[in-house]
Amino acid sequence: EAQVTQNPRYLITVTGKKLTVTCSQNMNHEYMSWYRQDPGLGLRQIYYSMNVEVTDKGDVPEGYKVSRKEKRNFPLILESPSPNQTSLYFCASSPWTSGASYNEQFFGPGTRLTVL
Amino acid sequence: GDSVTQMEGPVTLSEEAFLTINCTYTATGYPSLFWYVQYPGEGLQLLLKATKADDKGSNKGFEATYRKETTSFHLEKGSVQVSDSAVYFCALGTDTDKLIFGTGTRLQVFP
Repeated sequence: EAQVTQNPRYLITVTGKKLTVTCSQNMNHEYMSWYRQDPGLGLRQIYYSMNVEVTDKGDVPEGYKVSRKEKRNFPLILESPSPNQTSLYFCASSPWTSGASYNEQFFGPGTRLTVL
Repeated sequence: GDSVTQMEGPVTLSEEAFLTINCTYTATGYPSLFWYVQYPGEGLQLLLKATKADDKGSNKGFEATYRKETTSFHLEKGSVQVSDSAVYFCALGTDTDKLIFGTGTRLQVFP
Protein backbone atom coordinates (compact mmCIF):
# COMPACT_ATOMS: atom_id res chain seq x y z
CA GLU A 1 0.00 0.00 0.00
CA ALA A 2 1.30 3.41 -1.00
CA GLN A 3 1.67 5.49 2.11
CA VAL A 4 3.54 7.98 4.23
CA THR A 5 4.28 6.79 7.74
CA GLN A 6 5.26 8.84 10.76
CA ASN A 7 6.49 7.83 14.19
CA PRO A 8 5.66 8.35 16.90
CA ARG A 9 1.99 9.30 16.55
CA TYR A 10 1.90 10.89 19.99
CA LEU A 11 4.73 12.28 22.06
CA ILE A 12 4.88 14.17 25.32
CA THR A 13 8.28 15.53 26.25
CA VAL A 14 9.93 18.24 28.33
CA THR A 15 11.62 21.45 27.32
CA GLY A 16 15.13 20.97 26.01
CA LYS A 17 15.06 17.20 25.47
CA LYS A 18 16.09 16.46 21.90
CA LEU A 19 13.66 14.45 19.83
CA THR A 20 13.26 13.10 16.31
CA VAL A 21 10.05 12.42 14.44
CA THR A 22 10.57 9.97 11.62
CA CYS A 23 8.86 10.09 8.23
CA SER A 24 9.05 7.49 5.51
CA GLN A 25 7.34 7.10 2.13
CA ASN A 26 7.21 4.07 -0.17
CA MET A 27 6.14 5.84 -3.38
CA ASN A 28 9.61 6.79 -4.64
CA HIS A 29 8.66 10.46 -4.43
CA GLU A 30 11.27 13.12 -4.98
CA TYR A 31 9.64 15.79 -2.84
CA MET A 32 9.03 15.63 0.90
CA SER A 33 7.89 18.26 3.33
CA TRP A 34 7.04 18.89 6.96
CA TYR A 35 4.09 20.99 8.13
CA ARG A 36 2.75 21.99 11.48
CA GLN A 37 -0.95 22.48 12.10
CA ASP A 38 -2.15 24.92 14.71
CA PRO A 39 -5.72 26.07 15.47
CA GLY A 40 -6.70 29.11 13.44
CA LEU A 41 -3.48 29.01 11.41
CA GLY A 42 -4.01 26.06 9.10
CA LEU A 43 -0.90 24.18 8.00
CA ARG A 44 2.41 25.94 7.70
CA GLN A 45 5.47 24.52 6.01
CA ILE A 46 8.54 23.96 8.18
CA TYR A 47 11.09 22.47 5.76
CA TYR A 48 11.01 20.75 2.43
CA SER A 49 13.29 18.65 0.28
CA MET A 50 13.27 18.31 -3.48
CA ASN A 51 15.72 15.42 -3.54
CA VAL A 52 18.33 13.57 -1.53
CA GLU A 53 20.74 15.94 0.19
CA VAL A 54 18.67 18.95 -0.94
CA THR A 55 16.64 20.67 1.77
CA ASP A 56 15.33 24.19 2.21
CA LYS A 57 13.47 26.28 4.75
CA GLY A 58 9.74 26.73 4.63
CA ASP A 59 7.78 29.44 6.38
CA VAL A 60 8.44 28.47 10.01
CA PRO A 61 11.85 26.71 10.22
CA GLU A 62 13.10 28.17 13.51
CA GLY A 63 13.85 25.50 16.10
CA TYR A 64 13.77 22.60 13.62
CA LYS A 65 16.28 20.63 11.59
CA VAL A 66 15.84 18.06 8.86
CA SER A 67 18.01 15.71 6.86
CA ARG A 68 17.46 13.77 3.64
CA LYS A 69 20.11 11.06 3.42
CA GLU A 70 17.83 8.61 1.66
CA LYS A 71 15.02 9.25 -0.77
CA ARG A 72 12.38 7.55 1.33
CA ASN A 73 13.16 9.12 4.73
CA PHE A 74 12.86 12.70 5.95
CA PRO A 75 13.20 12.96 9.74
CA LEU A 76 12.29 16.12 11.65
CA ILE A 77 14.64 16.97 14.50
CA LEU A 78 13.94 19.26 17.43
CA GLU A 79 17.30 19.85 19.11
CA SER A 80 15.89 21.75 22.09
CA PRO A 81 12.09 21.66 22.07
CA SER A 82 10.13 24.48 23.64
CA PRO A 83 6.43 24.72 24.59
CA ASN A 84 5.66 26.85 21.52
CA GLN A 85 6.50 23.81 19.40
CA THR A 86 3.52 21.96 20.84
CA SER A 87 1.57 21.19 17.70
CA LEU A 88 0.31 18.59 15.26
CA TYR A 89 2.97 17.72 12.70
CA PHE A 90 2.45 16.27 9.24
CA CYS A 91 4.93 14.85 6.80
CA ALA A 92 4.00 14.85 3.12
CA SER A 93 5.49 13.65 -0.15
CA SER A 94 4.80 14.17 -3.83
CA PRO A 95 6.24 13.27 -7.23
CA TRP A 96 7.82 16.66 -7.85
CA THR A 97 7.93 17.94 -11.39
CA SER A 98 10.02 21.00 -12.11
CA GLY A 99 7.88 24.07 -12.61
CA ALA A 100 4.60 22.26 -12.00
CA SER A 101 2.07 23.35 -9.42
CA TYR A 102 -0.38 20.49 -9.81
CA ASN A 103 1.23 17.62 -7.97
CA GLU A 104 -0.89 16.07 -5.24
CA GLN A 105 0.81 15.79 -1.88
CA PHE A 106 0.31 12.63 0.16
CA PHE A 107 0.17 13.14 3.91
CA GLY A 108 1.16 10.99 6.83
CA PRO A 109 -1.25 10.42 9.74
CA GLY A 110 0.29 13.13 11.90
CA THR A 111 2.32 13.32 15.10
CA ARG A 112 0.82 15.13 18.05
CA LEU A 113 3.66 16.66 20.07
CA THR A 114 3.30 18.21 23.51
CA VAL A 115 6.28 20.00 25.03
CA LEU A 116 5.94 20.69 28.76
CA GLY B 1 2.83 36.92 -1.21
CA ASP B 2 0.52 34.09 -2.11
CA SER B 3 -2.31 33.41 0.32
CA VAL B 4 -5.59 31.57 0.77
CA THR B 5 -8.62 32.77 2.69
CA GLN B 6 -11.46 30.46 3.55
CA MET B 7 -14.60 30.92 5.58
CA GLU B 8 -14.42 30.25 9.25
CA GLY B 9 -16.37 27.45 10.77
CA PRO B 10 -17.81 25.50 12.13
CA VAL B 11 -20.41 24.97 9.48
CA THR B 12 -23.31 23.02 10.92
CA LEU B 13 -25.82 21.37 8.60
CA SER B 14 -28.53 18.78 8.65
CA GLU B 15 -28.13 15.69 6.50
CA GLU B 16 -29.07 16.26 2.83
CA ALA B 17 -28.54 20.03 3.09
CA PHE B 18 -26.58 21.97 0.47
CA LEU B 19 -23.00 22.84 1.34
CA THR B 20 -20.86 25.78 0.27
CA ILE B 21 -17.47 26.54 1.77
CA ASN B 22 -15.96 29.72 0.37
CA CYS B 23 -12.32 29.99 -0.63
CA THR B 24 -10.51 32.90 -2.25
CA TYR B 25 -6.86 33.22 -3.11
CA THR B 26 -4.13 35.71 -3.92
CA ALA B 27 -1.34 34.52 -6.17
CA THR B 28 1.17 35.53 -8.76
CA GLY B 29 1.57 33.28 -11.74
CA TYR B 30 -0.73 30.35 -12.45
CA PRO B 31 -1.28 28.27 -9.35
CA SER B 32 -3.19 25.03 -9.02
CA LEU B 33 -5.98 24.90 -6.46
CA PHE B 34 -6.85 22.05 -4.15
CA TRP B 35 -9.34 20.99 -1.54
CA TYR B 36 -8.03 18.61 1.09
CA VAL B 37 -10.15 16.89 3.72
CA GLN B 38 -9.09 15.82 7.20
CA TYR B 39 -11.27 13.27 8.96
CA PRO B 40 -10.99 13.03 12.75
CA GLY B 41 -7.66 11.61 13.86
CA GLU B 42 -6.31 11.30 10.33
CA GLY B 43 -3.97 13.08 7.99
CA LEU B 44 -5.07 15.19 5.07
CA GLN B 45 -6.18 13.59 1.85
CA LEU B 46 -6.84 15.18 -1.49
CA LEU B 47 -10.52 15.70 -2.21
CA LEU B 48 -10.28 17.45 -5.58
CA LYS B 49 -8.12 19.80 -7.58
CA ALA B 50 -8.12 22.15 -10.56
CA THR B 51 -5.02 23.16 -12.45
CA LYS B 52 -6.18 26.04 -14.63
CA ALA B 53 -8.86 28.68 -14.93
CA ASP B 54 -12.42 27.40 -15.51
CA ASP B 55 -11.44 23.83 -14.60
CA LYS B 56 -13.92 22.04 -12.38
CA GLY B 57 -12.65 19.51 -9.91
CA SER B 58 -15.06 16.90 -8.58
CA ASN B 59 -15.01 13.87 -6.32
CA LYS B 60 -17.47 12.06 -4.04
CA GLY B 61 -20.23 14.53 -4.94
CA PHE B 62 -18.11 17.56 -4.11
CA GLU B 63 -17.31 20.16 -6.77
CA ALA B 64 -15.26 23.32 -7.07
CA THR B 65 -14.59 25.56 -10.07
CA TYR B 66 -11.38 27.55 -10.54
CA ARG B 67 -12.61 31.13 -11.12
CA LYS B 68 -9.75 33.38 -12.12
CA GLU B 69 -11.94 36.47 -12.48
CA THR B 70 -13.09 36.27 -8.86
CA THR B 71 -9.97 34.45 -7.58
CA SER B 72 -12.20 31.85 -5.96
CA PHE B 73 -12.46 28.08 -5.59
CA HIS B 74 -15.60 27.50 -3.56
CA LEU B 75 -16.42 23.96 -2.47
CA GLU B 76 -19.99 22.73 -2.98
CA LYS B 77 -22.00 19.58 -2.42
CA GLY B 78 -25.66 19.18 -3.18
CA SER B 79 -26.57 16.83 -0.34
CA VAL B 80 -24.24 16.28 2.61
CA GLN B 81 -24.07 13.15 4.72
CA VAL B 82 -23.04 12.62 8.32
CA SER B 83 -19.92 10.90 7.00
CA ASP B 84 -18.85 14.21 5.38
CA SER B 85 -18.17 15.67 8.83
CA ALA B 86 -14.51 16.70 8.73
CA VAL B 87 -12.21 19.69 8.39
CA TYR B 88 -11.82 21.01 4.84
CA PHE B 89 -8.74 22.89 3.70
CA CYS B 90 -8.44 24.99 0.59
CA ALA B 91 -4.88 25.14 -0.72
CA LEU B 92 -2.86 26.77 -3.47
CA GLY B 93 -0.04 24.94 -5.20
CA THR B 94 3.02 26.83 -6.34
CA ASP B 95 5.56 25.89 -8.97
CA THR B 96 7.99 24.77 -6.27
CA ASP B 97 5.41 22.23 -5.08
CA LYS B 98 4.78 24.23 -1.96
CA LEU B 99 1.20 24.16 -0.73
CA ILE B 100 -0.25 27.25 0.90
CA PHE B 101 -3.23 26.37 3.05
CA GLY B 102 -6.22 28.22 4.33
CA THR B 103 -7.05 27.95 8.00
CA GLY B 104 -9.54 25.11 7.52
CA THR B 105 -13.31 24.92 7.91
CA ARG B 106 -14.89 22.37 10.20
CA LEU B 107 -18.10 20.83 8.85
CA GLN B 108 -20.50 19.12 11.20
CA VAL B 109 -23.44 17.26 9.71
CA PHE B 110 -26.25 16.05 11.95
CA PRO B 111 -28.80 13.36 11.11
